[in-house]
Amino acid sequence: KQEVTQIPAALSVPEGENLVLNCSFTDSAIYNLQWFRQDPGKGLTSLLLIQSSQREQTSGRLNASLDKSSGRSTLYIAASQPGDSATYLCAVEPGGGADGLTFGKGTHLIIQP
Amino acid sequence: SAVISQKPSRDICQRGTSLTIQCQVDSQVTMMFWYRQQPGQSLTLIATANQGSEATYESGFVIDKFPISRPNLTFSTLTVSNMSPEDSSIYLCSVLEGGRGTEAFFGQGTRLTVV
Repeated sequence: KQEVTQIPAALSVPEGENLVLNCSFTDSAIYNLQWFRQDPGKGLTSLLLIQSSQREQTSGRLNASLDKSSGRSTLYIAASQPGDSATYLCAVEPGGGADGLTFGKGTHLIIQP
Repeated sequence: SAVISQKPSRDICQRGTSLTIQCQVDSQVTMMFWYRQQPGQSLTLIATANQGSEATYESGFVIDKFPISRPNLTFSTLTVSNMSPEDSSIYLCSVLEGGRGTEAFFGQGTRLTVV
């Protein structure tokens, strides 16, 4: 059974810092890995989608990498801003025919002004 | 990207009653899912809503408790039946716009509180 782990569970840093969020998964048979942002009491906003054949994706200040063979992904946030404060969720779509996404528990990020 | 409208956005319900949550997508999609997010937890898949057939439920979720309808390729409902306080969660609708292997999009969620 696929399991997704995110480290750290929480992170608080001053504004302007570059930071890295980590995600690991136990089964490398995946279609893709997706990073989401969730604001309190809200739904999920898709940030980046990395296909299993890709190594990384970039969008603005965000860069996500994927090492499928080792079961790891990182989300890099450059020059963090208070508006980046949210919970960041990593999810994989299993490649074995199972439906839906398997999520990690998230990293709760606070950017201090 | 698909735009998903979910209703209601929140509700407070009495135990023993039922609530139906609606999910409307602005384009036709094959794959539609319902997730539950319990307080302080991550998302757990409840079921896959299949158009024209019964939903496929994950382990721990049953049709009697969470009946799902999928009358067409743009709409689905999830009913939370005979509610108890343990059902207090955020319920989210999701689609894979292009099918397996494509980007997942989510509705804004329904925050349910059962008293």
